[in-house]
Amino acid sequence: GAGVSQTPSNKVTEKGKYVELRCDPISGHTALYWYRQSLGQGPEFLIYFQGTGAADDSGLPNDRFFAVRPEGSVSTLKIQRTERGDSAVYLCASSSGQGGAYEQYFGPGTRLTVT
Amino acid sequence: GQNIDQPTEMTATEGAIVQINCTYQTSGFNGLFWYQQHAGEAPTFLSYNVLDGLEEKGRFSSFLSRSKGYSYLLLKELQMKDSASYLCAVRSLTDSWGKLQFGAGTQVVVTP
Repeated sequence: GAGVSQTPSNKVTEKGKYVELRCDPISGHTALYWYRQSLGQGPEFLIYFQGTGAADDSGLPNDRFFAVRPEGSVSTLKIQRTERGDSAVYLCASSSGQGGAYEQYFGPGTRLTVT
Repeated sequence: GQNIDQPTEMTATEGAIVQINCTYQTSGFNGLFWYQQHAGEAPTFLSYNVLDGLEEKGRFSSFLSRSKGYSYLLLKELQMKDSASYLCAVRSLTDSWGKLQFGAGTQVVVTP
């Protein structure tokens, strides 16, 4: 079946603007994760959802970042008043369960560039 | 939190074996994952270890020693397509189930 999809694949925005990044998880996957990855670094955890609720948002860097998953499927990561330091690849992942050996399946990412 | 250390880069010849080490410090270990990431692509799952010992899966094996805070990924019979970044990720008992802490990755370069 289809994997995790993310849109847009690339987003260029000006400093101070608002952006939304979308993630479509694998059908039936209950857990959804957001990470961001800077060049030469591993993914950095942002937030994860179990169903519709945010189970852990401890990785969100500040209150400019917010994510929702209103129907327990698609999720949107929202960034207000973007800064140049927000430039990174934003990765979404999903899994059929949580914990243990449940692997996280990653999407191709959205490359965000803030100019 | 965790400190996760991996070498930055390793080079090996096609057909050879390469061992990628990962050391970690965590407040309560609860599982270690290895992922492969080709340039510009999504990470893909390779292996999971939660108990000490070796897990073998085809050409790839992963080893864990919880007392030493140490894991390695062994890639045998290297192929050109194995050129990629290999990411070690750890879950801690003090974190939620979904939170993985990733190392910076080890870039493996396979030469002919």
